[in-house]
Parts: sequence; C-alpha cells; structure tokens
Amino acid sequence: QKEVEQNSGPLSVPEGAIASLNCTYSDRGSQSFFWYRQYSGKSPELIMFIYSNGDKEDGRFTAQLNKASQYVSLLIRDSQPSDSATYLCAVNRSPDTGRRALTFGSGTRLQVQP
Amino acid sequence: NAGVMQNPRHLVRRRGQEARLRCSPMKGHSHVYWYRQLPEEGLKFMVYLQKENIIDESGMPKERFSAEFPKEGPSILRIQQVVRGDSAAYFCASSPPGNNQPQHFGDGTRLSIL
Repeated sequence: QKEVEQNSGPLSVPEGAIASLNCTYSDRGSQSFFWYRQYSGKSPELIMFIYSNGDKEDGRFTAQLNKASQYVSLLIRDSQPSDSATYLCAVNRSPDTGRRALTFGSGTRLQVQP
Repeated sequence: NAGVMQNPRHLVRRRGQEARLRCSPMKGHSHVYWYRQLPEEGLKFMVYLQKENIIDESGMPKERFSAEFPKEGPSILRIQQVVRGDSAAYFCASSPPGNNQPQHFGDGTRLSIL
C-alpha cells in the first residue's frame, strides 16, 4: 500500500463546475496535510494546508480532512481552464519529532474543459 | 522576489562529472529541504537541513550524494560521479521555524546527464 494515494486521472470537468480531488494516507499518526498544484514542467505551488478535522476554505478552494477515515480532499469551485494542472497531495507524518519530510502522492491530473 | 531561489535552472553533465545545485531559502526561512522528481514519477524527499546541521537525510542515496547548508551562503546539493539515472528535476523548498509550517518550493534545477 502506498503511503499517500491519489487517483492519477485525468479528472475532466467542464468550466464552472466543482472539481473534487481525493487523497488517502496510510499513517494514522500523520499530522499535517498539504495540496500543491504543479503545471507541466514547473515547480509545485502551495494551494492549501490543513491540520484539523473539518473544512478549510480559501477563495475557490476548500480542503477537507477526516483523520478517522485517513482521507483528505480538495474542492475547486467554479473551475477555470487555468486550473488545469496536476494536484499533489502531501502529508507530513510527524513534524513535532523533527522529521518534516513531506510524503507526496503521485498526483491527480485535472483538465477543465472550456 | 523573495521566493526560494535555485540555480542553475538547467545543468548538463557528462557521466562521471560532479553536479552542484544551489538553493537560497525565502527570507525568514531557516529550514531547507531537497526533493527529487524523476521523469513521470512523484516527488521524493531527500534531505532536511537547518543552518550548519543535517536534520534528516533518510531519503538521500547512501553514495555519491551529499548536502550542506553553511552558516553563510546557500544550501548545496552535491552529486559526485553522476550517472544517467541521476537525470531528474531537483527541487528545494524552505519553511520558517515551527512545526507544521508549509514548505514553499523553488523553480527547481533540471539535471541532464549525457
């Protein structure tokens, strides 16, 4: 079982729709969770981070965390063609022990159709 | 621009040569991380450093790879006697002190081995 799993996609949604990206993780002790966006040939760009169960909203983006189910998701409302990219889920398993390595999923490719 | 600065952006080396990749963290960030992204693969953690200290090198290959973050100057990732399999994008990220701080990535160095 991979430590962080994402559906590779592509996930195709029409412009203006809600895109829902999902991620599961295997280490129940994981404490912090991040979503990065990566355009082809570019570097990862931080979109959202979440530490507590529940929802966290920032503009068109909402991150959702359910630690009991070991599940984190990213919702993108009013999707735009410029949102087309690969979305990477990253987990920090034990930051307070000094081990701050992020474990990344393989990413979900999102395509927003105009 | 106060972002994470990496140079060079592209580096070409012949097999057996040495590669040196440099990273200057964002202003106010004292923690540096190196990640590698092989073609068509996910991001993999390599090493986490603070000034003059390697905190976690659990992702570093045991041979040929080394990293430092001196008191003055950028962090350096050094690859000795490069082989074709070292061809990848190498990303540096930085974060401020404190647990659960998000990591911000530089533009990366694309290393090509001839």
